[in-house]
Amino acid sequence: DIQMTQSPSSLSASLGDRVTITCRASQDIGNYLSWFQQKPGKSPRLMIYGATNLEDGVPSRFSGSRSGSDYSLTISSLESEDTAIYYCLQYDKYPLTFGSGTKLEIK
Amino acid sequence: EVQLVESGGGLVQPGRSLKLSCAASGFTFSDYNMAWVRQAPKKGLEWVATISYDGSSTYYRDSVKGRFTISRDNAKSTLYLQMDSLRSEDTATYYCARRGVADYWGQGVMVTVSS
Repeated sequence: DIQMTQSPSSLSASLGDRVTITCRASQDIGNYLSWFQQKPGKSPRLMIYGATNLEDGVPSRFSGSRSGSDYSLTISSLESEDTAIYYCLQYDKYPLTFGSGTKLEIK
Repeated sequence: EVQLVESGGGLVQPGRSLKLSCAASGFTFSDYNMAWVRQAPKKGLEWVATISYDGSSTYYRDSVKGRFTISRDNAKSTLYLQMDSLRSEDTATYYCARRGVADYWGQGVMVTVSS
C-alpha cells in the first residue's frame, strides 16, 4: 500500500501568514493527488486535484505543488475562514490512501 | 447542481448487517466511478471501496474485503454499500464520493456498531 506521510499534524498561524502543508508519498503516484478541506461537522471539500489544479470556486490563495514525491498545499495569505483540517489523498493506486490530516488554527 | 444524498445508517449490533444508499443527481451517474469513504469519530478519512462506472470492477480495502459489497444501479442513479458481519471498528460516518479524485461528497451517514 502507498503511505501518505502528512506534516505537520497541527499548525497555528496568524492572519496573513503563508502556510504550507506537505504530503510525502511512499511510492510514485505521478500527479494523482488531491487536497481536501474539512470543517467541523461538514463533508470534505475538494481544493486541489492533479497535484496542482485549483478546483472551481476555490480561492486563488490556495495552490498545490509537487517536488519529487513531496506534494504541498500552500495558502498564500491566511484568512480566518481557512481554519479547518486538511487532508491529502493519493488516487493513483488501490487502496486509495489519505494523509493523516493537518489541523490548521488561527493564532 | 451535483448532489449526493446518503441514507440507511443507524445503530446495529456487532455481527449484523446494514445497507447504505447514495442517491445521485445533477450529473450523468453512469459516466462516473463512485466510492465510499468513512471517518471514525474524531479520526481521519479512510477509503472503503470504489466501483467502476459500469459496475464491472470493484475495489476494497483489506479490512472490509469479504464483508462489504459495493454496487450500483445506474437506472436509479444510486450507489450502495452492503455491510455484513459488522464490527465495532466499522463505526463511522460513511460518505459517498464521485470518482477517484473525490470531487463531490455527500453529507454523510452515521453507522454505529454496538451492543
